[in-house]
Amino acid sequence: ETGVTQSPTHLIKTRGQQVTLRCSSQSGHNTVSWYQQALGQGPQFIFQYYREEENGRGNFPPRFSGLQFPNYSSELNVNALELDDSALYLCASTLDTGSSTDTQYFGPGTRLTVL
Amino acid sequence: SQQGEEDPQALSIQEGENATMNCSYKTSINNLQWYRQNSGRGLVHLILIRSNEREKHSGRLRVTLDTSKKSSSLLITASRAADTASYFCATAIQGAQKLVFGQGTRLTINP
Repeated sequence: ETGVTQSPTHLIKTRGQQVTLRCSSQSGHNTVSWYQQALGQGPQFIFQYYREEENGRGNFPPRFSGLQFPNYSSELNVNALELDDSALYLCASTLDTGSSTDTQYFGPGTRLTVL
Repeated sequence: SQQGEEDPQALSIQEGENATMNCSYKTSINNLQWYRQNSGRGLVHLILIRSNEREKHSGRLRVTLDTSKKSSSLLITASRAADTASYFCATAIQGAQKLVFGQGTRLTINP
């Protein structure tokens, strides 16, 4: 158990729709990162938040956005869904270091299917 | 191409045998980490080795790091059926605020 939870577990959307995925991390973990993992691939870094500010972003378009809240919860929002957005979305939290390069504690993921 | 690449992509061994997985990367790193993932679920951190370390142990796990060859290996000794999972290396690239994951090695332990 990592103490990181995600909701929902599974989600089915249609192309063009918008989706919000949620993550709750441990108390004191002020850095949260989001990853996209396509089937058979390794996780790809989307972005990270530290104390409610985005401070790192991977090679993802602006329709991927996020929020982090003071209560150690965060959201990943994806607009104008495309078929290729179908994947497992993982959030991971890190102790209060401002960096996601230390040990990360992953949630169980949200499986998103876009039809 | 990926910063970290695991080899082999898939490995199948008998219970009790040792399993070795390798990871190669391209650029200078601050640390390298290994994670395990069971059946498309969340990743579990196994071990972190810093760039100034050469070897680390944790239970049945042994990790080595050779920064001159830009490679790392993960050894699991006396494997068990419960070790069946995908294993990923992740590199913390110098100057970047993120981990970069490889594509993973799928390990199957046969009883």
